[in-house]
Amino acid sequence: GAGVSQSPRYKVAKRGQDVALRCDPISGHVSLFWYQQALGQGPEFLTYFQNEAQLDKSGLPSDRFFAERPEGSVSTLKIQRTQQEDSAVYLCASSLNGEPGSPLHFGNGTRLTVT
Amino acid sequence: AQSVAQPEDQVNVAEGNPLTVKCTYSVSGNPYLFWYVQYPNRGLQFLLKYITGDNLVKGSYGFEAEFNKSQTSFHLKKPSALVSDSALYFCADYYNQGGKLIFGQGTELSVKP
Repeated sequence: GAGVSQSPRYKVAKRGQDVALRCDPISGHVSLFWYQQALGQGPEFLTYFQNEAQLDKSGLPSDRFFAERPEGSVSTLKIQRTQQEDSAVYLCASSLNGEPGSPLHFGNGTRLTVT
Repeated sequence: AQSVAQPEDQVNVAEGNPLTVKCTYSVSGNPYLFWYVQYPNRGLQFLLKYITGDNLVKGSYGFEAEFNKSQTSFHLKKPSALVSDSALYFCADYYNQGGKLIFGQGTELSVKP
């Protein structure tokens, strides 16, 4: 596709449910990033892949958060036993090669609301 | 640790007037600085970047930014604001260890007719 695609666009989960958020990066982009954006705040880094390798997961807030990119393209962010504090917009971004000068291309995000 | 700060939560400008959105950085070594814009219910869009070279960087939609090493600043500017420029603007710094962008808290720009 022309851009980064994220699904679903909106997700409502009851507290304690598991959710899975999908990201389709731009074709050929090597690097893939997940960010969490709370209302009125800047995006906070969660994790980063180079192809299928997860190089940095230092931003994942707890062991309930898990991300994978098994074939180096599509990625899934999974949140187990969701809590209200998990409510946020989850942004996926990809870049061509992960080099410092390579801009990130963002999807429109998945808005997660935990009730 | 590398970080960026955006000292203004909101900037209000009249259409046709020049605009400035401020960003300062704190880094050891050479920073890699970016500006992104976010429209409501959308992801972030890349505007411009500074890696090296000329201190004045030109980007999309008529925006430019000036890298000032002595003041550790990278302010976003536009000579003549449009109502359609109203959005949330984020400054970001590339964090070398881990290959990730670290974003500021954002500045809401409001351009009134």
